[in-house]
Amino acid sequence: DAGVIQSPRHEVTEMGQEVTLRCKPISGHNSLFWYRQTMMRGLELLIYFNNNVPIDDSGMPEDRFSAKMPNASFSTLKIQPSEPRDSAVYFCASSFGLPQETQYFGPGTRLLVL
Amino acid sequence: AQSVTQLDSQVPVFEEAPVELRCNYSSSVSVYLFWYVQYPNQGLQLLLKYLSGSTLVKGINGFEAEFNKSQTSFHLRKPSVHISDTAEYFCAVSDQSNAGKSTFGDGTTLTVKP
Repeated sequence: DAGVIQSPRHEVTEMGQEVTLRCKPISGHNSLFWYRQTMMRGLELLIYFNNNVPIDDSGMPEDRFSAKMPNASFSTLKIQPSEPRDSAVYFCASSFGLPQETQYFGPGTRLLVL
Repeated sequence: AQSVTQLDSQVPVFEEAPVELRCNYSSSVSVYLFWYVQYPNQGLQLLLKYLSGSTLVKGINGFEAEFNKSQTSFHLRKPSVHISDTAEYFCAVSDQSNAGKSTFGDGTTLTVKP
């Protein structure tokens, strides 16, 4: 099993540019989570999907952030326009969607906005 | 609502010494409890989890944790640590009220010194 796949692994962009982060969950998993990790704020849940439907997006910082899951094998997190304070490591995780199930994390995308 | 408190943000310890990382949780219903580990520049991975049954749970790499319902705690222990255990450790809780969403603590950085 390839695990959760995220791309790109590193992204450097300039303030104001659009950034798109991609995630492929583990096959058969029906829940997908997007997290952001920074030194200042730790690990934050941004949004999670169950069966491709957004269940809780209360962690999305503001309207500049949007997430989609068009099918069971692909999700995107978009930031438009990006700002320096968006610099962080963004993780995608997937699970079988039950509270007792383990979340499997991808390797993360390290984003730097200049 | 559920919450997790990791009582120590940093724990320095010498190699081969025992270690305990403390975690307290709050929830109004029955819970499932997890410990995840994050090595530098990697995503989180599961160490162990408590679902039901025996309150002593054994995980990978010689770690174990004990579920204490009366004290609402789930402390992580290892009798003898190695340099390679240096990492950040996250306690997490979930319950039946969420579709697989877990609430994570702020993390404890374990530093093992030679």
